[in-house]
Amino acid sequence: GQNIDQPTEMTATEGAIVQINCTYQTSGFNGLFWYQQHAGEAPTFLSYNVLDGLEEKGRFSSFLSRSKGYSYLLLKELQMKDSASYLCAVSTDSWGKLQFGAGTQVVVTP
Amino acid sequence: GAGVSQSPSNKVTEKGKDVELRCDPISGHTALYWYRQRLGQGLEFLIYFQGNSAPDKSGLPSDRFSAERTGESVSTLTIQRTQQEDSAVYLCASSLGLSGDEQFFGPGTRLTVL
Repeated sequence: GQNIDQPTEMTATEGAIVQINCTYQTSGFNGLFWYQQHAGEAPTFLSYNVLDGLEEKGRFSSFLSRSKGYSYLLLKELQMKDSASYLCAVSTDSWGKLQFGAGTQVVVTP
Repeated sequence: GAGVSQSPSNKVTEKGKDVELRCDPISGHTALYWYRQRLGQGLEFLIYFQGNSAPDKSGLPSDRFSAERTGESVSTLTIQRTQQEDSAVYLCASSLGLSGDEQFFGPGTRLTVL
């Protein structure tokens, strides 16, 4: 079966750093995505990792270890607008079929 | 606009009625995906279309659910004999069709079955 696990909720202070972990066990692996979803809105793309290592994009970084079935999303210099749900998703075939985790709600406090 | 559009944005229906949800993908995107998102939960894959290949229907929860796509354009998701557990937001996404390509999501259709 498919299993993608991430914490339900995390709280952090404005200006701080938060790391959202995602572990996965899937029948296929063609890369891992992170999406951001604000309440009542559609998900928007943050990052894609297919090789091991760290990808940095501004305040957001994403890490992948395929051997460990593990990824994390690092959010630096947190801003209030970063309060959202962060979705980990694994591409399980060659055509982009995604299996999503349940999402991690990040709450940024002043 | 240039994004993915979906209609209607909201649909309220009575249990047992059929509903049809529509998705207009980004022009030139060969792949189109449907997801369901129940309140407070992650996205649940339903079906995807890739070019002229047979659709992957492996995520459809029952035979009450079906979807069609006309070429590389509009798609409709039909739910027959709706049940209260079908209440959710139905999201459509499109992409260029390879595993590493970003999926662009539409705003979703919020379905409420009374």
